[in-house]
Amino acid sequence: DAKTTQPPSMDCAEGRAANLPCNHSTISGNEYVYWYRQIHSQGPQYIIHGLKNNETNEMASLIITEDRKSSTLILPHATLRDTAVYYCIVRVDSGGYQKVTFGTGTKLQVIP
Amino acid sequence: NAGVMQNPRHLVRRRGQEARLRCSPMKGHSHVYWYRQLPEEGLKFMVYLQKENIIDESGMPKERFSAEFPKEGPSILRIQQVVRGDSAAYFCASFGTAGGYTFGSGTRLTVV
Repeated sequence: DAKTTQPPSMDCAEGRAANLPCNHSTISGNEYVYWYRQIHSQGPQYIIHGLKNNETNEMASLIITEDRKSSTLILPHATLRDTAVYYCIVRVDSGGYQKVTFGTGTKLQVIP
Repeated sequence: NAGVMQNPRHLVRRRGQEARLRCSPMKGHSHVYWYRQLPEEGLKFMVYLQKENIIDESGMPKERFSAEFPKEGPSILRIQQVVRGDSAAYFCASFGTAGGYTFGSGTRLTVV
């Protein structure tokens, strides 16, 4: 019952940009797109989130399409330490309760 | 994953024993989400609790699993009469507006 779909796996050469897509065609107007990653079964780690506009921080960039039905997480210069499972979820940006399923994510393998 | 504390990190139980997993949310948060991750699978929602209240337990197995979050102390996820299929990583999280979910490091339960 995840509201997002992602490819199960991707490879990326070290030093190149990794572009991870996510479809969220049923996103509601007040839901944000969040990205997390999980490195080798550690707890998931927040990367970035956005509503409409593209966002950038020290870890990554997030590109959201104008219709908000899909987005792309960009790791500009992938390193071996970026090898992880990347999860895309949508939820409202408030402290209130919302049930969210993370799905199976995209397993990104960065290749030397 | 500083802020959300889980213990123990690893727990080994024999079939038929009870497992107790503890979670303290981020300071100032009075709610927790519990997720289960089976090997090679994504995070599956189990239960959402606020202090002294279970808000949504739709992801909890009907038997042997229970959760509580008392007024004082950590949230407890209890699994009675464990079976091999309960072997998994169990994560708890709390949600704040800055960055969304903050996850603990998880408890890895192994049933032998």
